[in-house]
Amino acid sequence: DTAVSQTPKYLVTQMGNDKSIKCEQNLGHDTMYWYKQDSKKFLKIMFSYNNKELIINETVPNRFSPKSPDKAHLNLHINSLELGDSAVYFCASSQYRDRANTGELFFGEGSRLTVL
Amino acid sequence: DAKTTQPTSMDCAEGRAANLPCNHSTISGNEYVYWYRQIHSQGPQYIIHGLKNNETNEMASLIITEDRKSSTLILPHATLRDTAVYYCIVNPGGYQKVTFGTGTKLQVIP
Repeated sequence: DTAVSQTPKYLVTQMGNDKSIKCEQNLGHDTMYWYKQDSKKFLKIMFSYNNKELIINETVPNRFSPKSPDKAHLNLHINSLELGDSAVYFCASSQYRDRANTGELFFGEGSRLTVL
Repeated sequence: DAKTTQPTSMDCAEGRAANLPCNHSTISGNEYVYWYRQIHSQGPQYIIHGLKNNETNEMASLIITEDRKSSTLILPHATLRDTAVYYCIVNPGGYQKVTFGTGTKLQVIP
């Protein structure tokens, strides 16, 4: 059973297109995240949702729009794709740290986006 | 989030202990030290975390200095499969932003 699953794993598209990446977690966590890892391997947070509410919104172009229909899903839609959007996008989830939870992040396997 | 500093890369002989240091001199009292690793291009994987006491699990040991300004992740018997980038981060473990630095690229050598 995959804890955090993302689709698609690979995405190749032309500049100017619109694409979406879907993420689902079956861990019962209440917080989900999108991270971007570029060619230099820096892992940068983009967004975070807690119980469907946006709580972290880093300096990301408004072409990127996250949507959380419920706390188990967090999708990322990207409009008017640019060459610089090429990267691996990781979805993650976590539960608040307490005696029962470590507060760790669980990551998906990533979605590699290539913009031509 | 407090900033962490790690060496860019390290080598370790297979079967030997790998000791990965991390400096976090501006850590706050409520922040935990978390370690993750990323094997090739897979999603980062949690290893261990601690507040001020040393911690051990099936993967590794975490040694935190008494002043909490630095820590060391220890892989007791490194294998080739431990070759990865290791990230040290500090975070309260809540909903705050988790920032990853550049990490340490550990190469385990046969």
